[in-house]
Amino acid sequence: QKEVEQNSGPLSVPEGAIASLNCTYSDRGSQSFFWYRQYSGKSPELIMSIYSNGDKEDGRFTAQLNKASQYVSLLIRDSQPSDSATYLCAVKGGSYIPTFGRGTSLIVHP
Amino acid sequence: EPEVTQTPSHQVTQMGQEVILRCVPISNHLYFYWYRQILGQKVEFLVSFYNNEISEKSEIFDDQFSVERPDGSNFTLKIRSTKLEDSAMYFCASSERPRGETQYFGPGTRLLVL
Repeated sequence: QKEVEQNSGPLSVPEGAIASLNCTYSDRGSQSFFWYRQYSGKSPELIMSIYSNGDKEDGRFTAQLNKASQYVSLLIRDSQPSDSATYLCAVKGGSYIPTFGRGTSLIVHP
Repeated sequence: EPEVTQTPSHQVTQMGQEVILRCVPISNHLYFYWYRQILGQKVEFLVSFYNNEISEKSEIFDDQFSVERPDGSNFTLKIRSTKLEDSAMYFCASSERPRGETQYFGPGTRLLVL
């Protein structure tokens, strides 16, 4: 059974701070890693994808992947109240099928 | 910007009834997917579809479910005899290429089975 684990939160950070979201996965054969943002009642929206070890930056977002530790994280710099949402980690192996975590709820307070 | 669309946005049905959820994937995408998310739970894969046939399906996608691409634009999910536990948000997604490729999600259909 492939598992993707996330702390459900909520993670509460002040506006302007760095939010750090973490995800671990069980399948060592996983090849593709995704972070989605999901506002309440809405569909998942892709923020970042990462495929190789290290960091990948896109604007205020940085994804970090460590395959040896089976760990992927998302950093959000200069957090804004509009970043308040649930962040879903999704992991894919060699198939079409991503496995999603339950998500971490992020609250950015002014 | 191209996007995946889904209809209806909300559907209420009686247990045992058939429902059809519709999706229009992004026009140049070739791979299509259905997911569901029960309230408060994780997003779960149901089925992937390519070249007019199912590529992969999960344990959830049993005989009561079917998918079809009836024409060049629509992609449908049929639930033959709905159960209370089918109440969920159903998301359609599409991608240009398969493995490892970004999937773009539609806004979802909220299904409530009474």
